[in-house]
Amino acid sequence: GAGVSQTPSNKVTEKGKYVELRCDPISGHTALYWYRQSLGQGPEFLIYFQGTGAADDSGLPNDRFFAVRPEGSVSTLKIQRTERGDSAVYLCASSSWAGRYNEQFFGPGTRLTVL
Amino acid sequence: SQQGEEDPQALSIQEGENATMNCSYKTSINNLQWYRQNSGRGLVHLILIRSNEREKHSGRLRVTLDTSKKSSSLLITASRAADTASYFCATDGPTGNQFYFGTGTSLTVIP
Repeated sequence: GAGVSQTPSNKVTEKGKYVELRCDPISGHTALYWYRQSLGQGPEFLIYFQGTGAADDSGLPNDRFFAVRPEGSVSTLKIQRTERGDSAVYLCASSSWAGRYNEQFFGPGTRLTVL
Repeated sequence: SQQGEEDPQALSIQEGENATMNCSYKTSINNLQWYRQNSGRGLVHLILIRSNEREKHSGRLRVTLDTSKKSSSLLITASRAADTASYFCATDGPTGNQFYFGTGTSLTVIP
């Protein structure tokens, strides 16, 4: 079966613009996570969804970042008024059940470059 | 800040040798996971060890966990060139919903 997919694979935008990053999780996976990975660093937790609701958004750096998952499947990470510091690879992961003991399946990421 | 810290940051070994990388974390955990990331790719789950376990094996992988020292180690035996990648440990947060990754160990296996 298909794994986690993310689109676009690369996104170049100008400072101040709005961007949307999309994640298609593995079919049937109820838990969905967004991470941000800067060069030479490990992934940084941003937000976690269980079904349609954002169960934990404590990792979002500020109110320019927002994510939705309206039907409990596809999720979109939205970044307003992008800044150069937002440049990173944004990773999405899904899991068959949220909890401490389930592995996460990661997508290939979207590389965001803010000029 | 990130929970885990791996060391060494970079490791270069000859094919056939064993590779050991370590992870230290800051707060109590319920489980610790190891992931692998090939350059420019997403992460792949390798192994999970629960807080009440001390050692776990999976193929050529051996993971240990010492909760008293808040540390874990990943051993890859009989390394292969295809093992070249970055390896990250990840620990769960207080609610079990967040996962905190370390900065990773970059492993190079020379054929």
